Amino acid sequence: DGGITQSPKYLFRKEGQNVTLSCEQNLNHDAMYWYRQDPGQGLRLIYYSQIVNDFQKGDIAEGYSVSREKKESFPLTVTSAQKNPTAFYLCASSPEGGETQYFGPGTRLLVL
Amino acid sequence: QKEVEQNSGPLSVPEGAIASLNCTYSDRVSQSFFWYRQYSGKSPELIMSIYSNGDKEDGRFTAQLNKASQYVSLLIRDSQPSDSATYLCAVKLWGGGADGLTFGKGTHLIIQP
Repeated sequence: DGGITQSPKYLFRKEGQNVTLSCEQNLNHDAMYWYRQDPGQGLRLIYYSQIVNDFQKGDIAEGYSVSREKKESFPLTVTSAQKNPTAFYLCASSPEGGETQYFGPGTRLLVL
Repeated sequence: QKEVEQNSGPLSVPEGAIASLNCTYSDRVSQSFFWYRQYSGKSPELIMSIYSNGDKEDGRFTAQLNKASQYVSLLIRDSQPSDSATYLCAVKLWGGGADGLTFGKGTHLIIQP
């Protein structure tokens, strides 16, 4: 089945720790995105990538990093510099042209 | 500053009635508009996209776009309890490449049996 997978479903981070969220897609989509959603808030763009080995900062990139070594994968690292990381993280992808975006199931990050 | 505004609700509608969800946006050059449905604790699911002025129908859903008024709406006919969710309006800026969508905060819809 084609789709977008994210893992883990829940992730717990200790103070000062870096954590990495996985996002994989087998839709052969060129563009991939990371969003953050806080309770009662809309989605905010963290990073996006149009092609392999290239990515751009979104509206709230501080404290996050990404890589795009393969077309299918776009992992997000939440670094210790991100002081308020508790949120629902959503990965999305879209075919060439970047119009309609499809979302993965999300990862909920909590701070211990 | 790109902005997308939605009434947060909750919007309560009796089962079988028409639910009307509204969205306004600030950027006059926006060309692509999307409605997503998000159940509690789940990720957004695409319902409709609309690019031209007028109405676009898909089953019980109708999207309406008025670019002159910078207004997009979603109508749900014959509302069902399973339609109870948060509905997110999203806008993509024309010519903006593959950067992300700008989302509203969503309208919480409750269909009362």
